[in-house]
Amino acid sequence: GAGVSQTPSNKVTEKGKYVELRCDPISGHTALYWYRQSLGQGPEFLIYFQGTGAADDSGLPNDRFFAVRPEGSVSTLKIQRTERGDSAVYLCASSINRESYEQYFGPGTRLTVT
Amino acid sequence: ELKVEQNPLFLSMQEGKNYTIYCNYSTTSDRLYWYRQDPGKSLESLFVLLSNGAVKQEGRLMASLDTKARLSTLHITAAVHDLSATYFCAVDSLAYGNKLVFGAGTILRVKS
Repeated sequence: GAGVSQTPSNKVTEKGKYVELRCDPISGHTALYWYRQSLGQGPEFLIYFQGTGAADDSGLPNDRFFAVRPEGSVSTLKIQRTERGDSAVYLCASSINRESYEQYFGPGTRLTVT
Repeated sequence: ELKVEQNPLFLSMQEGKNYTIYCNYSTTSDRLYWYRQDPGKSLESLFVLLSNGAVKQEGRLMASLDTKARLSTLHITAAVHDLSATYFCAVDSLAYGNKLVFGAGTILRVKS
């Protein structure tokens, strides 16, 4: 079956611009996670959704970052006033529910801020 | 705070040799994971270890967990070139909201 998909696969934007990154989780998965992976590092947690609500947004670095999941399926990560330090691969993962230990990762969106 | 340390961060080894990657974590966790990542690709789940003494094997890779020492190992037996990748360990805990906390990764290069 279809896995987690993310669009776009690559995004180049200028400093100060607004970007949206999209994640389509596996159908039926209620838990959705966003992570950020900077070059040469392990992924870092950003935000976790259970259904439509953000259950844990403690990893969002500042108020320029925001994420939504209005219908409990697709999620959008939004970054305002992008900075060069935001350049990274943004990974999305989903799992059947909060208790499930299996998170399935998408291919990621590589964001480059020039 | 849940922290994960891996070592070594870079490992260059000859085909046919054995080696071990170590993963230490800072506080009690519920589950420990090993992932593989190829360049430009996403994360591929290798193992999930749930309890003290757990050992899992797949091909030339074997993972183990010692919860008392807060240590997991990923042992590579008779390495082959196809194992070249970056390996991450990660832990999660219901007490920390189920988010995965990753180590920095070990870059493995197997030379022919």
